[in-house]
Amino acid sequence: DAEITQSPRHKITETGRQVTLACHQTWNHNNMFWYRQDLGHGLRLIHYSYGVQDTNKGEVSDGYSVSRSNTEDLPLTLESAASSQTSVYFCASSETGGSPLHFGNGTRLTVT
Amino acid sequence: AQSVTQPDIHITVSEGASLELRCNYSYGATPYLFWYVQSPGQGLQLLLKYFSGDTLVQGIKGFEAEFKRSQSSFNLRKPSVHWSDAAEYFCAVGAIGGTASKLTFGTGTRLQVTL
Repeated sequence: DAEITQSPRHKITETGRQVTLACHQTWNHNNMFWYRQDLGHGLRLIHYSYGVQDTNKGEVSDGYSVSRSNTEDLPLTLESAASSQTSVYFCASSETGGSPLHFGNGTRLTVT
Repeated sequence: AQSVTQPDIHITVSEGASLELRCNYSYGATPYLFWYVQSPGQGLQLLLKYFSGDTLVQGIKGFEAEFKRSQSSFNLRKPSVHWSDAAEYFCAVGAIGGTASKLTFGTGTRLQVTL
């Protein structure tokens, strides 16, 4: 079965370090998204991609970057981790405009 | 800009009772509307979606939702709640057209079910 896999599931890092969260999907979807989930805020869009070599900023993109070199992967990089980036991060993918999102199981990141 | 409001942060119902979770959206045109459910430690699972047509939408696990354009609402309902329905529920709105389903989510409603 097709799926979307995030790694690691849990990560603890120190302030100022660079961190990369992996997202890999086998749906062959063009569209991929990164959200962060925080209490009281629901899910907020960080970055998204409509296809290979395409990346776009979401509503909370400061301090994050993504790159899309193939269809399957959209890694999320925190350039210099900050305590405000402690959160649960979800990757998602979709087939076309209006299609439902398929979510990974999330990565819990703690920045100390 | 599109937005979603879920006015109830936390709801408690007894097993077997009916359930209604509220969702109000703001969007300038006809939206796509979704309800997702999240169990602890898991990602989000799609319950149901509305694109067009019949305003009463049936989903998985016995859930349904009704789109009311005049009230900008898309409330989720279930006639009889089961203990396994305890989870967090998210309403989301997306734009029709365009090349991707970029969704805006509400802040969620946590459902507790008492036995």
